[in-house]
Amino acid sequence: EAEVAQSPRYKITEKSQAVAFWCDPISGHATLYWYRQILGQGPELLVQFQDESVVDDSQLPKDRFSAERLKGVDSTLKIQPAELGDSAMYLCASSLVRRASEAFFGQGTRLTVV
Amino acid sequence: GDSVTQMEGPVTLSEEAFLTINCTYTATGYPSLFWYVQYPGEGLQLLLKATKADDKGSNKGFEATYRKETTSFHLEKGSVQVSDSAVYFCALSGSQGGSEKLVFGKGTKLTVNP
Repeated sequence: EAEVAQSPRYKITEKSQAVAFWCDPISGHATLYWYRQILGQGPELLVQFQDESVVDDSQLPKDRFSAERLKGVDSTLKIQPAELGDSAMYLCASSLVRRASEAFFGQGTRLTVV
Repeated sequence: GDSVTQMEGPVTLSEEAFLTINCTYTATGYPSLFWYVQYPGEGLQLLLKATKADDKGSNKGFEATYRKETTSFHLEKGSVQVSDSAVYFCALSGSQGGSEKLVFGKGTKLTVNP
């Protein structure tokens, strides 16, 4: 069964360091989402891609976060420099159509900043 | 803005007990409503949905009815199993910039004991 792949599953990094997460969506899915899920909270959308273009990054802290999807397939989310408050689960999701409720989620990357 | 409030957890039940997880929402317009489930170590999965008032969503023995008059979408199951242990998220969809955007509640952790 096709699934959204994310790596790494777990990451521990020191504050002020750079960290990156990778996501490989389900083949053929044009829409890709990155969510942040702080412990005890629901997921919050950080950025949404349609193919290689960003269609919504209104909640992305652009001073330290960046996201790219250069060939419209896999995607990387980067944080530089990491802060203690960035500790969270980062979820990637993809959908065939441009509807967030039709998306399939990956297992996530759990980031701990120390 | 749009928001979702769900009952605080954790909830602990014995097998075959009745489950209710309350969810209320605030939104402009007429959103679609969803319940997602996150099993340990896995990504979010759509459990059920309802797209208009009085609709009932159902799946795997779970059900929820879209109540416009009380702005609620409570999740129920008549007889829970140990395998239902998970975190449950209520969500609504709104439209922003031509894209559907999900707004999640904080999640309710359910533990079912044998």
